[in-house]
Amino acid sequence: SQKIEQNSEALNIQEGKTATLTCNYTNYSPAYLQWYRQDPGRGPVFLLLIRENEKEKRKERLKVTFDTTLKQSLFHITASQPADSATYLCALDNQAGTALIFGKGTTLSVSS
Amino acid sequence: GAVVSQHPSRVICKSGTSVKIECRSLDFQATTMFWYRQFPKQSLMLMATSNEGSKATYEQGVEKDKFLINHASLTLSTLTVTSAHPEDSSFYICSAPFLETQYFGPGTRLLVL
Repeated sequence: SQKIEQNSEALNIQEGKTATLTCNYTNYSPAYLQWYRQDPGRGPVFLLLIRENEKEKRKERLKVTFDTTLKQSLFHITASQPADSATYLCALDNQAGTALIFGKGTTLSVSS
Repeated sequence: GAVVSQHPSRVICKSGTSVKIECRSLDFQATTMFWYRQFPKQSLMLMATSNEGSKATYEQGVEKDKFLINHASLTLSTLTVTSAHPEDSSFYICSAPFLETQYFGPGTRLLVL
């Protein structure tokens, strides 16, 4: 069956460091891989989307890589800030407009 | 960016009653919307796909007679939890696709006593 693993349930880092979150998937060939941020008691907020034919995408302090051979995506937050503390969700879909399959998320805590 | 709203944000009800949750796309039209449920410390699990003008599609294990979905217009989908029980207490979130991604509502916290 399709499976998405975000292999760290929690990640604690110091302010200013780079946070790296991992998303691995099996039995799936997604066309898109997306990263969302979710704060407690709130819905997910879209951050970045990367297509299967793209290796890397950046947006401000965020960077996402996508390796379809390894079936893995890495999500980086550079110069992390306490405001970056949240749960980050990896999500896959195989066609625009279809439902997403989510990983369990990694809760990032950035301490000052 | 695209905005999706949900109402109410929080609801407490007695066991056996029905609760309606609304999901609206505010600045775009959505022929399809999705309903997810999230339990504490768990990921979002897709419950059903809401289709404007036709029946909803439910995921395996989700009772269609218990979770009624109506996609009344291109900007509104409703989820009604009928005869709610304490085990239905959860965080319900809707989403709507726009361009290549999905935009989520802020969620509805349901507590059934």
